[in-house]
Amino acid sequence: DGGITQSPKYLFRKEGQNVTLSCEQNLNHDAMYWYRQDPGQGLRLIYYSQIVNDFQKGDIAEGYSVSREKKESFPLTVTSAQKNPTAFYLCASSILQGMGNQPQHFGDGTRLSIL
Amino acid sequence: SQQGEEDPQALSIQEGENATMNCSYKTSINNLQWYRQNSGRGLVHLILIRSNEREKHSGRLRVTLDTSKKSSSLLITASRAADTASYFCATDRDDYKLSFGAGTTVTVRA
Repeated sequence: DGGITQSPKYLFRKEGQNVTLSCEQNLNHDAMYWYRQDPGQGLRLIYYSQIVNDFQKGDIAEGYSVSREKKESFPLTVTSAQKNPTAFYLCASSILQGMGNQPQHFGDGTRLSIL
Repeated sequence: SQQGEEDPQALSIQEGENATMNCSYKTSINNLQWYRQNSGRGLVHLILIRSNEREKHSGRLRVTLDTSKKSSSLLITASRAADTASYFCATDRDDYKLSFGAGTTVTVRA
């Protein structure tokens, strides 16, 4: 079955530590996205990528970094510079076609907490 | 940036009743999408309505779009316990990005 796989489901970060969240898709989608979701709030865009080896900052990129070395993979690193990293992180992908945006397919998220 | 805003924030209904939630947005759009999120899970796409469409149906879901009022509504008919979830509207931004509202949490009581 095609889909998006995020791992791990739960992650704990110590002070001063960088952690990497994995996102893999087998939908052959060109575009991939990372969102942050805080309790009772909507999704905020961290980074997005439309093509391999290219990515752009979203609305809240500070303290985060990404790479897009393969079409299928879009890992997110939460660096020690992100002072409030506790949140639910969602990865999504979509095709790029036509006017307006196409539906995005989401993984089941990684919940990150501070130790 | 958050463009869509859902109303109400929370909704509690009896099984079998209908649930209606609204989404308002600020700038012109090409299309508007609705998503569902079950607790602790990712979002699932429900329906996409284009700016030249006024109404769209999918199973027990009915979506309307009024571009003159910059608003959309999602109606779930004959609700079931499995419909308990948060529902988000999303509008398109530039460059293939989406802007999500804060969502409406729907609880369906047995």
